[in-house]
Amino acid sequence: SQQGEEDPQALSIQEGENATMNCSYKTSINNLQWYRQNSGRGLVHLILIRSNEREKHSGRLRVTLDTSKKSSSLLITASRAADTASYFCATDGGSGYALNFGKGTSLLVTP
Amino acid sequence: GAGVSQSPSNKVTEKGKDVELRCDPISGHTALYWYRQRLGQGLEFLIYFQGNSAPDKSGLPSDRFSAERTGESVSTLTIQRTQQEDSAVYLCASSLAEGQETQYFGPGTRLLVL
Repeated sequence: SQQGEEDPQALSIQEGENATMNCSYKTSINNLQWYRQNSGRGLVHLILIRSNEREKHSGRLRVTLDTSKKSSSLLITASRAADTASYFCATDGGSGYALNFGKGTSLLVTP
Repeated sequence: GAGVSQSPSNKVTEKGKDVELRCDPISGHTALYWYRQRLGQGLEFLIYFQGNSAPDKSGLPSDRFSAERTGESVSTLTIQRTQQEDSAVYLCASSLAEGQETQYFGPGTRLLVL
């Protein structure tokens, strides 16, 4: 079953603006990961945040995790047209391996 | 180094036929996963292999689905008597070991059952 739910479903912004996507989940987790998918094919891993971490940075990406609210956010700063893709959060749902994905947020960055 | 590879990239088949999908994980990765992604949806976990342990098949949707893996190398996912609802992208991923490790995904096989 799909545990993660991303919000919004779709987001359209202009280059240079920041994009914020949110993810909510239902059960306890060991970690939460964000992935990007271009053109409905392979997923690219962006960042992993563990359950004992609250915030993590990687380049233009900033991820926060609030385990008390069972939610996470992904912030992409200074967006570029190349950031156009679908973004998914994935949780391990406690199993330690099988990832549970939401339906994703479709991000469109226009020049 | 080479990433996860999958073949074929695309497969069109007729309802009732069997199909076999192949995944080559990253060399040295002991854990291998199969997921299915229907149009506009997130990924659904299908099956997990870790070394020589018994696979976790809890995500397989029916007994028409099966998968094998020889050691820590290639895996094949077989769908027998395909149905139209099997149409989806089938994604394979591998990781160094189970648990709390990044999963690296292949490009997927897009299956269309007519």
